[in-house]
Amino acid sequence: QVQLQESGPGLVKPSQTLSLTCTVSGGSFSVGSYYWTWIRQPAGKGLQWIGRVYTTGSTDYNPSLQSRVTISIDTSKNQFSLKLTSVTASDTAVYYCARGIKDYAPPLPTEYFDYWGQGALVTVSP
Amino acid sequence: DIQMTQSPSSLSASVGDRVTITCRTSQNISSYLNWYQQKPGRAPKLLIYAASTLQSRVPSRFSASGSGTEFTLTISSLQPEDFATYYCQQCYSIPRTFGQGTRVEIK
Repeated sequence: QVQLQESGPGLVKPSQTLSLTCTVSGGSFSVGSYYWTWIRQPAGKGLQWIGRVYTTGSTDYNPSLQSRVTISIDTSKNQFSLKLTSVTASDTAVYYCARGIKDYAPPLPTEYFDYWGQGALVTVSP
Repeated sequence: DIQMTQSPSSLSASVGDRVTITCRTSQNISSYLNWYQQKPGRAPKLLIYAASTLQSRVPSRFSASGSGTEFTLTISSLQPEDFATYYCQQCYSIPRTFGQGTRVEIK
């Protein structure tokens, strides 16, 4: 059974950098059809996709966050990480890591997030 | 960005009811649409992918259909464990985007 676990500080000061790591266990990490993604959810609100990283190190980011976000991967440790710089109170949220899968089975290729971490609450406050 | 609009935003229903949730997108996304269920304090759980394919181990009372810009998720007979918030999500373009959610509450 694939498991993802977020870790990192739960409190970050404004203007500082939010850093989270997701550790993946119980499955293959470097399969070519997988990628690894971060999604966040402010309290009582909806889900926002932050970005993703492939095991090659290639990344895609949400343009609304792109100037502040870096997602990296360490395949030797089965981990991927999120860094978000210059945080403000609006970055307070539960941050989820998830596995994305590219499914090439017919009739059409598709993608979805099939395994998620439990979520890590990060509060931005002085 | 592709805008995702779910309706209704919330609904009240009884156990055994048939429930339908609609998701409309701001542009044609073919069948690149997924549905997730989220319970309070929990991570979202994948229910449906590719607009209509049931994820493994998801009960068959869940079904979905649609393509292009209009999609529906149907629960044929609502069970107590189905009271949750449901989200649609497009995987057609970057950034991936989600609907605002539909909260299904007990009547």
